[in-house]
Amino acid sequence: DQQVKQNSPSLSVQEGRISILNCDYTNSMFDYFLWYKKYPAEGPTFLISISSIKDKNEDGRFTVFLNKSAKHLSLHIVPSQPGDSAVYFCAASALTGGGNKLTFGTGTQLKVEL
Amino acid sequence: GAGVSQSPSNKVTEKGKDVELRCDPISGHTALYWYRQSLGQGLEFLIYFQGNSAPDKSGLPSDRFSAERTGGSVSTLTIQRTQQEDSAVYLCASSRDRGSYEQYFGPGTRLTVT
Repeated sequence: DQQVKQNSPSLSVQEGRISILNCDYTNSMFDYFLWYKKYPAEGPTFLISISSIKDKNEDGRFTVFLNKSAKHLSLHIVPSQPGDSAVYFCAASALTGGGNKLTFGTGTQLKVEL
Repeated sequence: GAGVSQSPSNKVTEKGKDVELRCDPISGHTALYWYRQSLGQGLEFLIYFQGNSAPDKSGLPSDRFSAERTGGSVSTLTIQRTQQEDSAVYLCASSRDRGSYEQYFGPGTRLTVT
């Protein structure tokens, strides 16, 4: 059962335009959401996060939006740059006695073209 | 300081052999997680350590998988009698403590079972 879903395996955007990556989840116990960026042969790098008590978090070119009623979050990158080309993973967490294990989506490959 | 390191970076082994994968977390981080990423899949949680104890082993796929952590630092993931379906990238992550959401990942160990 895929609790975190990224339905678009790939996305292509022109440099300077907005990139919108989407993520859906099914587990209402998730209370924190994160986006990670991954280059080939490297580990995922933390990008931005949002608590379930908020609906928006912004950090420079990156903004994450959370719609709890729809169990949907999105990552906006504007303006997109060629260096943003990577795989983006959405992750969700529910703090339990067992720490903050993350449940990941399958990722979206973003390609920013010149 | 240094980030999370993992060794070896690549491991090729014959079916039926045992393998050990090592993780050095960020100094001072008390929480340590193991994940794996199979081809075309998202990251899958395996086990969580807080200090030297493992309160959550729920992601270990079979009893062939085990892990330990000593001195609250280095962790070793052991896979006995490897099978071809064990082929994946094994990723280790650490975070400051059990309440921290952001996890910092190592580069991973690519395991290939022939």
